[in-house]
Amino acid sequence: DIQMTQSPSTLSASVGDRVTITCRASQSISSWLAWYQQKPGKAPKLLIYKASSLESGVPSRFSGSGSGTEFTLTISSLQPDDFATYYCQQYNSYPSFGPGTKVDIK
Amino acid sequence: QVQLVQSGAEVKKPGASVKVSCKASGYTFTSYGISWVRQAPGQGLEWMGWISAYNGNTNYAQKLQGRVTMTTDTSTSTAYMELRSLRSDDTAVYYCARPLSDYGDPIDAFDIWGQGTMVTVSS
Repeated sequence: DIQMTQSPSTLSASVGDRVTITCRASQSISSWLAWYQQKPGKAPKLLIYKASSLESGVPSRFSGSGSGTEFTLTISSLQPDDFATYYCQQYNSYPSFGPGTKVDIK
Repeated sequence: QVQLVQSGAEVKKPGASVKVSCKASGYTFTSYGISWVRQAPGQGLEWMGWISAYNGNTNYAQKLQGRVTMTTDTSTSTAYMELRSLRSDDTAVYYCARPLSDYGDPIDAFDIWGQGTMVTVSS
């Protein structure tokens, strides 16, 4: 099984900040990585797939990069609607998710 | 619009079974599979398994083998997930999710999610 880790587990930031979240895989997953945003009581929402492809309708302030075992999700200018928990997911083999990064208000 | 609508919350006793439904609309049901993902309270996401709505093929997470069964009813565009021999650590929100790729396999990301079904296992 491929294990996913994320850092940090919690991130405190202000509106307008540039935010970066890191996701690491226990073995190479090429570019088979997705990022999701989840708000309390809601289902996850797909933001990025194949490491850097922006899902339709997702604001361009979200971007993804990386390949192999290390990946990043960047929010270029944090907006009030972006305070949420973010998960990475590998799909190089049966899907597995990272433990999540909670972005809260500083 | 494309959507997945799940059945309502359930409360079950340990040892019982639960069956959650997921009704698809807005797309050709048999062109995609359905995965099930669960999330224990305050915890992360766990993939449970996948079923092809095209031919009924299934793949289950190893830890749930023998306790989970996924089925579909193509006449109503509905997927089902049954979990048996429930334990307290099965308490979670259960989501159905549609993979990105049509006619694909269980190894994919998910672009459409149901609203979630809370299953509580308690004596």
